[in-house]
Formats: sequence, structure tokens, C-alpha cells
Amino acid sequence: EPEVTQTPSHQVTQMGQEVILRCVPISNHLYFYWYRQILGQKVEFLVSFYNNEISEKSEIFDDQFSVERPDGSNFTLKIRSTKLEDSAMYFCASSDQGREVSPLHFGNGTRLTVT
Amino acid sequence: KNEVEQSPQNLTAQEGEFITINCSYSVGISALHWLQQHPGGGIVSLFMLSSGKKKHGRLIATINIQEKHSSLHITASHPRDSAVYICAVDFGNEKLTFGTGTRLTIIP
Repeated sequence: EPEVTQTPSHQVTQMGQEVILRCVPISNHLYFYWYRQILGQKVEFLVSFYNNEISEKSEIFDDQFSVERPDGSNFTLKIRSTKLEDSAMYFCASSDQGREVSPLHFGNGTRLTVT
Repeated sequence: KNEVEQSPQNLTAQEGEFITINCSYSVGISALHWLQQHPGGGIVSLFMLSSGKKKHGRLIATINIQEKHSSLHITASHPRDSAVYICAVDFGNEKLTFGTGTRLTIIP
């Protein structure tokens, strides 16, 4: 069965550094999402992306965050200047017809540790 | 305010028991998702539903739109069902709102 893949599985970075988290969604999917989960807390929505643009973003997704689909397969989340509170598990997800109609397929996550 | 509440927070049961996890939400929704989070952190989608009932193997999900309530049932529970089960609700605003999850432990 096709999978959403995320790399790296674990990233350690110093405060103030830029990080790029990478995701390869399922190939025929059109809707892409990033979520994060701070340790011990619930999963939170960050951003949704469709037709090469952001369709919705949360209050968390400030100017330090950006997303890009640089080619036909990758979907990236960039954090420009990481803070300690950005430490979390970041999940990429995709769906083929939008979340109200078709289920989400999640990647295994990237655990980001900011020191 | 769009809120999602799950109960119980933790549930321990013996192998073979029938399990019920509940999810309540505050306002009308477009869809509700049940997700399973493994101990390693990965998330798997179990069900997406907007009305009625769905069944997959030993798992059953139901939703009552009038009562703003959904349940996830596991029949003949097994230790491999041990995981965190998360209810996530689409309030129609493109932002999925997640519950805090129910940590299920099945003892052999």
C-alpha cells in the first residue's frame, strides 16, 4: 500500500538554526497537511496546502514557518529560526479528495529537538 | 468554540474484553476521524465518518450527529490493540481539531 514518507525521522538542531522537514506524500494525492505534537500534548494543526498554495493555517504557523512543494513529489516544512518550543513531533499527511471526503494518510513523523 | 473531548483518558482491560472509547464535540461538524497512534509515534487513520456506523474487522465506529457524539468500539480486544486512540474533528474550517487521546492498554 502506498505510504507517506518523512525524513529525517529525528533531527537535532541548535536554537536559531533553520530546519527543513521533508515529506513525500502519496503520489496521486492533492491535499497536504502538516501537524505537530509537543511531547505529552495533543496533535495540533499547522497548515493545509492545495493547488500549490496554503488553504488554511493555524495561529502557530507564523512567519517563521513556510511550506513548499518544490517539485511533483516533495512537500517541505521550513522553520527559519528555531526556538526551544518548536521541539515536537511533526507529522505530514495527505489525502486525495480533501479531508471531508477521504481519509488522511500520515507519515511516521519527524521528531525535532531544539537545543 | 470548537472543542473535542475524549473519554476515558486511560483505559486498561483484559484481553478479550469489549472496549468503548467516547468522543464528544461542541458544534456541528463536516467529518470525524478516528486515529490510532502507535507507541513509536506513528499515526494511522482508522475511520472517517460523517454519519451512521462503519466497521473494519474488530473495530466499529459510530456517530450520532444530533447528540454530537461518536464512539469507537473494539471487540475481542488483543494486546496488539494497545495504543493511543485519537478522535479528530473537522468543523468545516479546514483545521482538524484533535482530542487529547485515550491510552488503551490490553493485558494478556
